[in-house]
Amino acid sequence: GNSVTQMEGPVTLSEEAFLTINCTYTATGYPSLFWYVQYPGEGLQLLLKATKADDKGSNKGFEATYRKETTSFHLEKGSVQVSDSAVYFCALRLTGNQFYFGTGTSLTVIP
Amino acid sequence: GAVVSQHPSRVICKSGTSVKIECRSLDFQATTMFWYRQFPKQSLMLMATSNEGSKATYEQGVEKDKFLINHASLTLSTLTVTSAHPEDSSFYICSAPDRLAGDLYEQYFGPGTRLTVT
Repeated sequence: GNSVTQMEGPVTLSEEAFLTINCTYTATGYPSLFWYVQYPGEGLQLLLKATKADDKGSNKGFEATYRKETTSFHLEKGSVQVSDSAVYFCALRLTGNQFYFGTGTSLTVIP
Repeated sequence: GAVVSQHPSRVICKSGTSVKIECRSLDFQATTMFWYRQFPKQSLMLMATSNEGSKATYEQGVEKDKFLINHASLTLSTLTVTSAHPEDSSFYICSAPDRLAGDLYEQYFGPGTRLTVT
């Protein structure tokens, strides 16, 4: 079946620390991969995406590379800020616009 | 980019009553919309696919008569939680795909509706 497994949280980091949130997937076809961010009380916002193997998605200092050989799409940021505190969801999409989401990882950045 | 809105953002209702949640695509048309449910500290679970002009498609385990979906127009889908119970309390999120080009779509999510059943 299709599924996404992501690193459990919560994650607490100091400002300017390096962030990695692991994400691996299982898919029957060739998925597109996404990272979404959810701020408190809000819906999901697309953070970045990659549509094929070896693509790197990047946005706002966040990066993730589509690794087919390890079926992974780990999210990284070199220097986190307090404003990055949110819940991050890894997701895959096959055809038909249906998404499969991971369980989310809560990130808290402290000054 | 495209915007998807939901109304209301929060609703509190008494057990046994029905609640309607609206999902609108504000500047694009969507023949398909998706309804998700999110439990605290858990992921989004797809409940159903709303199809304009035809019946909704429900995921396994989702009660059709409990969660009524009506895709009234190309910009509006509604989810009605009938005879709500406290276990229906959750965060409901809709999404709609906007066609960019060819078979390429971008998915946009609404801000969610927090339902609390007392």
